[in-house]
Amino acid sequence: DGGITQSPKYLFRKEGQNVTLSCEQNLNHDAMYWYRQDPGQGLRLIYYSQIVNDFQKGDIAEGYSVSREKKESFPLTVTSAQKNPTAFYLCASSIQGRGESAFFGQGTRLTVV
Amino acid sequence: AQTVTQSQPEMSVQEAETVTLSCTYDTSESDYYLFWYKQPPSRQMILVIRQEAYKQQNATENRFSVNFQKAAKSFSLKISDSQLGDAAMYFCAYIPSNTGKLIFGQGTTLQVKP
Repeated sequence: DGGITQSPKYLFRKEGQNVTLSCEQNLNHDAMYWYRQDPGQGLRLIYYSQIVNDFQKGDIAEGYSVSREKKESFPLTVTSAQKNPTAFYLCASSIQGRGESAFFGQGTRLTVV
Repeated sequence: AQTVTQSQPEMSVQEAETVTLSCTYDTSESDYYLFWYKQPPSRQMILVIRQEAYKQQNATENRFSVNFQKAAKSFSLKISDSQLGDAAMYFCAYIPSNTGKLIFGQGTTLQVKP
């Protein structure tokens, strides 16, 4: 079945450690997105990519990094520079990022202790 | 900067009645798309409806319809004959066709009372 997969569903890390969240899609979509969801703040865009080997900062990119070496994969690294990393993270993809509907993964809940 | 604003953090509706969720957006683009997404307690995002800005006709999907006012930059969602399964958080979203930057509003939590 085609879809977008985020792993793991729950992730615990110690403060000061970098952690990488996985996002894989087999929909042959060019565009991929990472969002952070906090209570009362909706979905805030971290990074997005419309093509392999290219990506742009979203509205809250500080403390995060991404790569887009393969069309299917768009991993997100939460670095130690991110001051409040505990949140729910959602990955999405769309055909070209030109106005098509986006498909979402099931999310990763990151807790930093 | 492009922004999407949902001014109603919470709404409630009686089962079988109609409710309207509000959304406004700010943009200088002329070619863009608007969406409503639903996020139930499972947190899986589900597309409800999509509107192309160049189309004057309001989009509809069964019990869901929008009121798209381009000049006012308003994009409200009307849910008719509300059902218990409609209870969820609803997000308004915007994407300009030239940048691919998909942004969301803060969300509105909808409660459906039996």
